[in-house]
Amino acid sequence: DAKTTQPPSMDCAEGRAANLPCNHSTISGNEYVYWYRQIHSQGPQYIIHGLKNNETNEMASLIITEDRKSSTLILPHATLRDTAVYYCIVSSPHSGTYKYIFGTGTRLKVLA
Amino acid sequence: DVKVTQSSRYLVKRTGEKVFLECVQDMDHENMFWYRQDPGLGLRLIYFSYDVKMKEKGDIPEGYSVSREKKERFSLILESASTNQTSMYLCASTGNTDTQYFGPGTRLTVL
Repeated sequence: DAKTTQPPSMDCAEGRAANLPCNHSTISGNEYVYWYRQIHSQGPQYIIHGLKNNETNEMASLIITEDRKSSTLILPHATLRDTAVYYCIVSSPHSGTYKYIFGTGTRLKVLA
Repeated sequence: DVKVTQSSRYLVKRTGEKVFLECVQDMDHENMFWYRQDPGLGLRLIYFSYDVKMKEKGDIPEGYSVSREKKERFSLILESASTNQTSMYLCASTGNTDTQYFGPGTRLTVL
């Protein structure tokens, strides 16, 4: 199963873009990249996912490199409520469903 | 919106007790998952189920069992709770896509 590597922590000024990197150099062709975030004492919340194309939704943008070995989650205008742990996950087909391999995530602190 | 609920937010049990953690989803999802989350270790998969009465071991199944008698409900059972099972337990479900939707979690303390 492909693993992910993320920096343990990052700071970002309120109103600025937060760019969270992730390495997944062993990813296979049929494995998706997912991003979730977890605010203290709550369950992880889905943000965005992609296979090889860049993706954008109302929460964030996901940029995946052409070789798919790394990706970046972009929060375009970070707010204090975006302070959370962000998980980059590779989703692998397994027994008719998909298995997530969680890393230890990046703790993002948005500063006023 | 998908809703995944867990029976308790906080639970305190004694060593040796049998513990049931329940998870219910309201979106007719086929797949359901149980994870535990510990500081420094992230989320680790305990068991998952891809259909009623079907289950498969995850990465850390030892000391746990599961039950899925109805599609919407997936139970995690600690047959004889031990202190090293003190943790946050998270349930998730997926339907036709592989996007997992998580419940709020149950923080279990075993004394």
